[in-house]
Formats: sequence, structure tokens, C-alpha cells
Amino acid sequence: AQSVTQPDIHITVSEGASLELRCNYSYGATPYLFWYVQSPGQGLQLLLKYFSGDTLVQGIKGFEAEFKRSQSSFNLRKPSVHWSDAAEYFCAVGSNFNKFYFGSGTKLNVKP
Amino acid sequence: NAGVTQTPKFQVLKTGQSMTLQCAQDMNHNSMYWYRQDPGMGLRLIYYSASEGTTDKGEVPNGYNVSRLNKREFSLRLESAAPSQTSVYFCASSGQPLNTGELFFGEGSRLTVL
Repeated sequence: AQSVTQPDIHITVSEGASLELRCNYSYGATPYLFWYVQSPGQGLQLLLKYFSGDTLVQGIKGFEAEFKRSQSSFNLRKPSVHWSDAAEYFCAVGSNFNKFYFGSGTKLNVKP
Repeated sequence: NAGVTQTPKFQVLKTGQSMTLQCAQDMNHNSMYWYRQDPGMGLRLIYYSASEGTTDKGEVPNGYNVSRLNKREFSLRLESAAPSQTSVYFCASSGQPLNTGELFFGEGSRLTVL
């Protein structure tokens, strides 16, 4: 069965510092991987996705993620965090586009 | 564009009452989903509908029923609400023909069961 693990519940970084949010997945076949962001009181918005090909994918708002099959990971990164990046981030895995499974989320706080 | 619209946005129920959450999308998407979000548990899939006329159980279907009324609308019904169903509910859709797999979410419905 598919599953997604986000080991960090909360992360605090200083504005301008780099960021890496971890995601590990369990899936038998080639996964479809996603990162979503949720601002307070809002629904989720897609940041980026990986289906195949280049293992480093670029997304919106300056985010990128790298798929590492050997480690079953799909970590999200950003070189320099802005205060507006404070939100909750969810990693998700999809199978045949009909089912998506989400991790438990990582809340990002940004210190001025 | 409206995207995915959920109603109501807030609801308070007493244990044993019933209610229906409505969801409509205007993107001509085939697939629609209902998730619940609870602190520390992320989003859990309740039910989904891969196309008009079909529905399937997700991870946590107990206590819920769904109806895919037409291609646009997918409703979630709680027949006899329980405090354990206090949660934020999200409807989402995913489309054809691009079939990118991206989920488009509504703004959520916050349900409290007393």
C-alpha cells in the first residue's frame, strides 16, 4: 500500500536561510509525487510534481524537489526562504491519477 | 473562475444529526475526491469518484456516504454525525484531458460535532 512520511512536524528557519523539507514514500511502482502548500484557512495549492524524466523538478515560488529512487525520497528545497513561505507543506503520492495519498504535513515558521 | 466550490464553509451539528456537504467544480474534471484533515494526520481520503456514475472508498469511509450527482457535483453525507467526525473537509477534483494529476481543492468546510 502507498504511504507517505514527513518526519518533521514543525520547522523554523530564518528569513533568507535555505530550506529542506523531507518526504519519504512507499509505493510499488514508479510513483507520481507532488508537493502542496496550504496557507492558513485555505485549500491546498500545487507547488510542483514529478512524473518521470529529470529527477530535479522546479516549481512555483522558487521551490524545487529532487526525486531519489534509491532513498524513496522526494525532498523539497528552497535556497532562500521568504516570510510569505510560512505555511504547511504536504507531500503526496498518486497512483494512476485516481488516488492520492498525503503525508501528515510539515509546518514551516519563518523568523524575521 | 470559481474552480471548486464547497458549501457550507462552517457547520455545527449535534451527535446523531445528519448533514450533506456539497461540492461542485466547473473545470470539466472527471475525478472528484473528499478528504478530511485532522491535526497531525494530514489529509485522509474518504471517498473518490473516478468518473460520473462511479464512487470508491478511500482510507476512512466509515460513517460517510457519497453521491456523484453529475460530472460537476460530488456530495458527502454524514447520516448520523459523531464527535470523531469533527474535522475540516476538503473537496478536490482532477482533470482530463491534460490528466496532469494535479488536485484542485476547495477552501474547505469546517464541521464540529458536539
